[in-house]
Amino acid sequence: NAGVMQNPRHLVRRRGQEARLRCSPMKGHSHVYWYRQLPEEGLKFMVYLQKENIIDESGMPKERFSAEFPKEGPSILRIQQVVRGDSAAYFCASSGLKETQYFGPGTRLLVL
Amino acid sequence: GESVGLHLPTLSVQEGDNSIINCAYSNSASDYFIWYKQESGKGPQFIIDIRSNMDKRQGQRVTVLLNKTVKHLSLQIAATQPGDSAVYFCAESTIQGAQKLVFGQGTRLTINP
Repeated sequence: NAGVMQNPRHLVRRRGQEARLRCSPMKGHSHVYWYRQLPEEGLKFMVYLQKENIIDESGMPKERFSAEFPKEGPSILRIQQVVRGDSAAYFCASSGLKETQYFGPGTRLLVL
Repeated sequence: GESVGLHLPTLSVQEGDNSIINCAYSNSASDYFIWYKQESGKGPQFIIDIRSNMDKRQGQRVTVLLNKTVKHLSLQIAATQPGDSAVYFCAESTIQGAQKLVFGQGTRLTINP
């Protein structure tokens, strides 16, 4: 039973480019969450999605960031026109309804 | 606003000793708490959770204690092993809410041989 899958594991982008991070939830899970982690800090909530719906995006920056969880396929976190401050580890978690969140291995984004 | 913090950023213990990692939370509406373990370069790994209607919960070698009066959470690890070396995070949420987790800063646990 595969856990939460994220790809790519490492992503390097130059300033101004776009970053697309993918997350496939655990089998049977329909709730996906994205978190961001800076070095030596805890994870910060970004967005909570169910299939085709954004439930809570209170942690998403107002500009350049978007997320989706389509009916088919993985959840996507998209960062447009990346800046150096976007460099971080981005973690996806999945759960069933009101159940424990299980995390993926993360995507380490480096903006040059 | 909501916040979850830890008393100690680093903890060093001898192999075989017991470890206690502490966490304070400020949101009195939080009713679900989780401990995660994060090894270098990996995602957080679920250890144990507890709901606010409980004071104590035990797992394999781990125990979580919840003191709602002082808004304090602790993780006890019995007979620590080298593989326990990691950063430990407490997280809180409200079950009735959107389930977003609020994480603390983390405590780095190192095991001395």
